[in-house]
Amino acid sequence: AQTVTQSQPEMSVQEAETVTLSCTYDTSENNYYLFWYKQPPSRQMILVIRQEAYKQQNATENRFSVNFQKAAKSFSLKISDSQLGDTAMYFCAFMKLTGANNLFFGTGTRLTVIP
Amino acid sequence: NAGVMQNPRHLVRRRGQEARLRCSPMKGHSHVYWYRQLPEEGLKFMVYLQKENIIDESGMPKERFSAEFPKEGPSILRIQQVVRGDSAAYFCASSPKGSGWSYEQYFGPGTRLTVT
Repeated sequence: AQTVTQSQPEMSVQEAETVTLSCTYDTSENNYYLFWYKQPPSRQMILVIRQEAYKQQNATENRFSVNFQKAAKSFSLKISDSQLGDTAMYFCAFMKLTGANNLFFGTGTRLTVIP
Repeated sequence: NAGVMQNPRHLVRRRGQEARLRCSPMKGHSHVYWYRQLPEEGLKFMVYLQKENIIDESGMPKERFSAEFPKEGPSILRIQQVVRGDSAAYFCASSPKGSGWSYEQYFGPGTRLTVT
């Protein structure tokens, strides 16, 4: 079975500063995808960034980047130059590439950006 | 290209009534996933459907819950004889899987079900 653990229920960061959200996962699969989703107060699930396990290079999307450590099964999200609009719940998710390809989510980290 | 649509956005039902949640996938997507989010928790997989087929329902409660994705029309998640514990946000996601694209899932805005 796949499990995803987010050990930081809540975090805060000053506007314009950098914050890192942690995520670890457990799987016996070798090929899989990892995702970070953002859920603002509107509750819409928004894809932030995606990482394919076979790629060694860490994914980057503008102010968002990941630190993917496959051996350690760690997948942290770094948000640079934090903005007020980044305030949201952030969910780490795992997808194996066999079977139904459903997502396994962590319990989330509530991030607050302080002006 | 319209995104994934879900309706209603909010649904209130009394205990014992039926709840019907609808999901229209993105144009060209024939794969639909349903997830449930209980208060203060992450989303949990319920069921995966393709047109006219249930592929994986391993996350669905064994009783009272059913899902379909007919050849024409939206996917429907049906909850019979609702109980207070069914109160949650229900999200639908669609995927273009099988077309050579990525496995990304695109989420709808969710339906918040409240059972009184």
